[in-house]
Amino acid sequence: EAGVAQSPRYKIIEKRQSVAFWCNPISGHATLYWYQQILGQGPKLLIQFQNNGVVDDSQLPKDRFSAERLKGVDSTLKIQPAKLEDSAVYLCASSRNGQTTDTQYFGPGTRLTVL
Amino acid sequence: KQEVTQIPAALSVPEGENLVLNCSFTDSAIYNLQWFRQDPGKGLTSLLLIQSSQREQTSGRLNASLDKSSGRSTLYIAASQPGDSATYLCAVKNQAGTALIFGKGTTLSVSS
Repeated sequence: EAGVAQSPRYKIIEKRQSVAFWCNPISGHATLYWYQQILGQGPKLLIQFQNNGVVDDSQLPKDRFSAERLKGVDSTLKIQPAKLEDSAVYLCASSRNGQTTDTQYFGPGTRLTVL
Repeated sequence: KQEVTQIPAALSVPEGENLVLNCSFTDSAIYNLQWFRQDPGKGLTSLLLIQSSQREQTSGRLNASLDKSSGRSTLYIAASQPGDSATYLCAVKNQAGTALIFGKGTTLSVSS
Protein backbone atom coordinates (compact mmCIF):
# COMPACT_ATOMS: atom_id res chain seq x y z
CA GLU A 1 0.00 0.00 0.00
CA ALA A 2 1.48 3.34 -1.06
CA GLY A 3 1.93 5.94 1.65
CA VAL A 4 0.99 9.59 1.75
CA ALA A 5 2.72 11.47 -1.06
CA GLN A 6 3.69 15.13 -0.95
CA SER A 7 5.36 17.47 -3.37
CA PRO A 8 7.51 19.37 -3.68
CA ARG A 9 9.84 18.19 -0.92
CA TYR A 10 11.60 21.54 -0.70
CA LYS A 11 10.67 25.06 -1.73
CA ILE A 12 12.48 28.38 -1.35
CA ILE A 13 10.62 31.61 -2.11
CA GLU A 14 10.89 35.31 -1.42
CA LYS A 15 8.46 36.94 1.01
CA ARG A 16 5.26 38.16 -0.57
CA GLN A 17 5.42 35.44 -3.22
CA SER A 18 2.85 32.67 -3.43
CA VAL A 19 3.42 28.94 -3.08
CA ALA A 20 1.37 25.76 -3.30
CA PHE A 21 1.86 22.32 -1.84
CA TRP A 22 0.25 19.10 -3.00
CA CYS A 23 -0.77 16.01 -1.06
CA ASN A 24 -2.05 12.64 -2.23
CA PRO A 25 -3.40 10.57 0.68
CA ILE A 26 -3.46 6.81 1.04
CA SER A 27 -6.01 5.33 -1.33
CA GLY A 28 -9.44 5.08 0.25
CA HIS A 29 -8.70 7.43 3.13
CA ALA A 30 -11.54 9.88 3.59
CA THR A 31 -9.84 12.19 6.06
CA LEU A 32 -6.91 14.44 5.23
CA TYR A 33 -4.97 16.73 7.56
CA TRP A 34 -2.47 19.53 6.96
CA TYR A 35 -0.06 20.29 9.81
CA GLN A 36 2.52 23.07 10.10
CA GLN A 37 5.75 22.32 11.94
CA ILE A 38 7.94 25.32 12.70
CA LEU A 39 11.56 24.54 13.56
CA GLY A 40 11.83 23.41 17.16
CA GLN A 41 8.07 22.98 17.57
CA GLY A 42 5.68 20.10 17.29
CA PRO A 43 3.28 19.92 14.33
CA LYS A 44 0.17 22.07 14.61
CA LEU A 45 -3.06 21.28 12.79
CA LEU A 46 -3.97 23.80 10.09
CA ILE A 47 -6.97 22.15 8.48
CA GLN A 48 -8.83 18.85 8.43
CA PHE A 49 -10.95 17.57 5.54
CA GLN A 50 -13.54 14.82 5.56
CA ASN A 51 -13.91 13.85 1.89
CA ASN A 52 -14.18 17.26 0.21
CA GLY A 53 -15.64 19.11 3.21
CA VAL A 54 -13.78 21.09 5.87
CA VAL A 55 -14.10 19.69 9.40
CA ASP A 56 -11.75 22.04 11.26
CA ASP A 57 -9.88 25.08 9.97
CA SER A 58 -9.86 27.06 13.21
CA GLN A 59 -6.06 27.44 13.20
CA LEU A 60 -5.67 28.25 9.51
CA PRO A 61 -4.60 31.90 8.90
CA LYS A 62 -7.31 32.51 6.38
CA ASP A 63 -6.03 35.90 5.29
CA ARG A 64 -3.13 34.19 3.53
CA PHE A 65 -3.63 30.43 3.64
CA SER A 66 -6.16 28.45 1.66
CA ALA A 67 -6.68 24.75 1.08
CA GLU A 68 -8.93 22.65 -1.07
CA ARG A 69 -9.77 19.04 -1.70
CA LEU A 70 -12.14 19.38 -4.61
CA LYS A 71 -12.70 15.72 -5.49
CA GLY A 72 -12.17 14.34 -2.02
CA VAL A 73 -8.80 12.81 -2.89
CA ASP A 74 -5.80 15.08 -3.56
CA SER A 75 -5.41 18.31 -1.66
CA THR A 76 -3.59 21.58 -2.26
CA LEU A 77 -2.45 24.04 0.40
CA LYS A 78 -1.66 27.55 -0.80
CA ILE A 79 0.04 30.51 0.84
CA GLN A 80 -0.40 33.96 -0.69
CA PRO A 81 1.44 36.17 0.13
CA ALA A 82 4.10 34.32 2.12
CA LYS A 83 5.71 35.83 5.21
CA LEU A 84 9.04 35.02 6.84
CA GLU A 85 7.24 33.29 9.72
CA ASP A 86 5.68 30.81 7.30
CA SER A 87 9.03 29.04 7.02
CA ALA A 88 8.23 25.56 8.27
CA VAL A 89 7.67 21.96 7.29
CA TYR A 90 4.15 21.31 6.03
CA LEU A 91 3.02 17.79 6.80
CA CYS A 92 0.07 16.05 5.24
CA ALA A 93 -1.59 13.10 6.96
CA SER A 94 -4.54 10.88 6.16
CA SER A 95 -6.76 8.45 8.01
CA ARG A 96 -9.44 6.02 6.93
CA ASN A 97 -12.61 7.77 8.04
CA GLY A 98 -11.79 10.42 10.61
CA GLN A 99 -13.03 8.48 13.59
CA THR A 100 -11.28 8.83 16.93
CA THR A 101 -10.19 5.21 16.56
CA ASP A 102 -8.33 5.94 13.32
CA THR A 103 -4.58 6.00 12.93
CA GLN A 104 -3.07 8.92 11.04
CA TYR A 105 -0.36 8.25 8.48
CA PHE A 106 2.05 11.06 7.68
CA GLY A 107 3.75 12.03 4.46
CA PRO A 108 7.42 13.13 4.24
CA GLY A 109 6.52 16.82 4.38
CA THR A 110 7.38 19.89 2.33
CA ARG A 111 10.06 22.14 3.77
CA LEU A 112 9.33 25.80 2.96
CA THR A 113 11.94 28.52 3.35
CA VAL A 114 10.77 32.12 2.97
CA LEU A 115 13.59 34.63 2.42
CA LYS B 1 -7.23 23.63 25.90
CA GLN B 2 -4.97 20.60 25.74
CA GLU B 3 -1.24 21.31 26.04
CA VAL B 4 1.54 18.77 25.68
CA THR B 5 4.98 19.28 27.18
CA GLN B 6 8.09 17.20 26.62
CA ILE B 7 11.14 17.14 28.84
CA PRO B 8 14.02 17.31 28.22
CA ALA B 9 14.19 19.28 24.98
CA ALA B 10 17.50 17.62 24.12
CA LEU B 11 19.45 14.67 25.43
CA SER B 12 22.91 13.30 24.65
CA VAL B 13 23.95 9.87 25.85
CA PRO B 14 26.69 7.34 25.07
CA GLU B 15 25.77 4.17 23.25
CA GLY B 16 24.36 1.42 25.44
CA GLU B 17 22.63 3.61 28.01
CA ASN B 18 19.03 3.15 28.98
CA LEU B 19 17.07 6.40 28.85
CA VAL B 20 13.65 7.89 29.56
CA LEU B 21 11.82 10.60 27.68
CA ASN B 22 8.97 12.38 29.41
CA CYS B 23 5.66 13.72 28.14
CA SER B 24 2.94 15.48 30.12
CA PHE B 25 -0.50 16.70 29.10
CA THR B 26 -2.92 19.05 30.82
CA ASP B 27 -6.30 17.45 30.07
CA SER B 28 -6.68 13.82 31.09
CA ALA B 29 -9.69 13.30 28.79
CA ILE B 30 -7.61 11.74 26.07
CA TYR B 31 -8.52 8.94 23.70
CA ASN B 32 -4.96 7.79 23.11
CA LEU B 33 -1.33 8.88 23.21
CA GLN B 34 1.20 8.23 20.50
CA TRP B 35 4.98 8.43 20.32
CA PHE B 36 6.58 9.34 16.99
CA ARG B 37 10.10 9.44 15.69
CA GLN B 38 11.23 12.15 13.28
CA ASP B 39 14.55 12.00 11.46
CA PRO B 40 16.01 15.23 10.03
CA GLY B 41 14.19 16.24 6.86
CA LYS B 42 11.78 13.35 7.13
CA GLY B 43 8.17 12.82 8.10
CA LEU B 44 6.83 11.17 11.23
CA THR B 45 7.13 7.49 12.00
CA SER B 46 4.73 6.09 14.58
CA LEU B 47 6.54 4.10 17.28
CA LEU B 48 3.92 3.24 19.86
CA LEU B 49 0.26 4.02 20.45
CA ILE B 50 -1.32 3.62 23.88
CA GLN B 51 -5.08 3.65 24.26
CA SER B 52 -6.43 5.54 27.25
CA SER B 53 -7.46 2.26 28.89
CA GLN B 54 -3.94 0.82 28.62
CA ARG B 55 -0.98 1.31 30.93
CA GLU B 56 1.86 0.50 28.57
CA GLN B 57 2.94 -0.72 25.16
CA THR B 58 6.17 -2.37 24.11
CA SER B 59 7.95 -2.73 20.79
CA GLY B 60 11.44 -4.17 20.76
CA ARG B 61 13.70 -1.96 22.87
CA LEU B 62 10.94 0.64 23.32
CA ASN B 63 8.44 0.74 26.14
CA ALA B 64 5.86 3.48 26.58
CA SER B 65 3.79 3.93 29.71
CA LEU B 66 0.71 6.02 30.34
CA ASP B 67 -0.66 7.41 33.59
CA LYS B 68 -3.77 9.21 32.43
CA SER B 69 -4.84 10.44 35.85
CA SER B 70 -1.58 12.29 36.38
CA GLY B 71 -1.30 13.37 32.75
CA ARG B 72 2.03 11.69 32.09
CA SER B 73 3.68 9.30 29.69
CA THR B 74 7.23 8.04 29.45
CA LEU B 75 9.13 6.46 26.58
CA TYR B 76 11.85 4.10 27.76
CA ILE B 77 14.60 3.19 25.31
CA ALA B 78 16.80 0.29 26.35
CA ALA B 79 20.41 -0.16 25.27
CA SER B 80 20.47 2.95 23.10
CA GLN B 81 22.22 2.86 19.72
CA PRO B 82 23.51 5.63 17.41
CA GLY B 83 20.67 4.77 15.05
CA ASP B 84 18.24 5.90 17.73
CA SER B 85 19.40 9.49 17.23
CA ALA B 86 16.33 11.47 16.17
CA THR B 87 13.62 13.73 17.53
CA TYR B 88 10.91 11.96 19.51
CA LEU B 89 7.46 13.53 19.54
CA CYS B 90 4.59 12.80 21.88
CA ALA B 91 1.04 13.44 20.67
CA VAL B 92 -2.38 13.03 22.26
CA LYS B 93 -5.77 12.63 20.70
CA ASN B 94 -8.59 14.09 22.77
CA GLN B 95 -11.80 12.18 23.31
CA ALA B 96 -13.69 14.99 21.61
CA GLY B 97 -11.62 15.25 18.45
CA THR B 98 -9.56 13.47 15.84
CA ALA B 99 -6.59 15.81 15.36
CA LEU B 100 -3.33 15.10 17.16
CA ILE B 101 -1.89 17.61 19.62
CA PHE B 102 1.87 17.44 19.73
CA GLY B 103 4.60 18.36 22.15
CA LYS B 104 7.73 20.13 20.93
CA GLY B 105 9.77 16.95 20.99
CA THR B 106 12.97 15.68 22.55
CA THR B 107 16.03 15.59 20.32
CA LEU B 108 18.14 12.55 21.19
CA SER B 109 21.77 12.10 20.24
CA VAL B 110 23.44 8.76 20.91
CA SER B 111 27.22 8.73 20.48
CA SER B 112 29.27 5.64 19.66
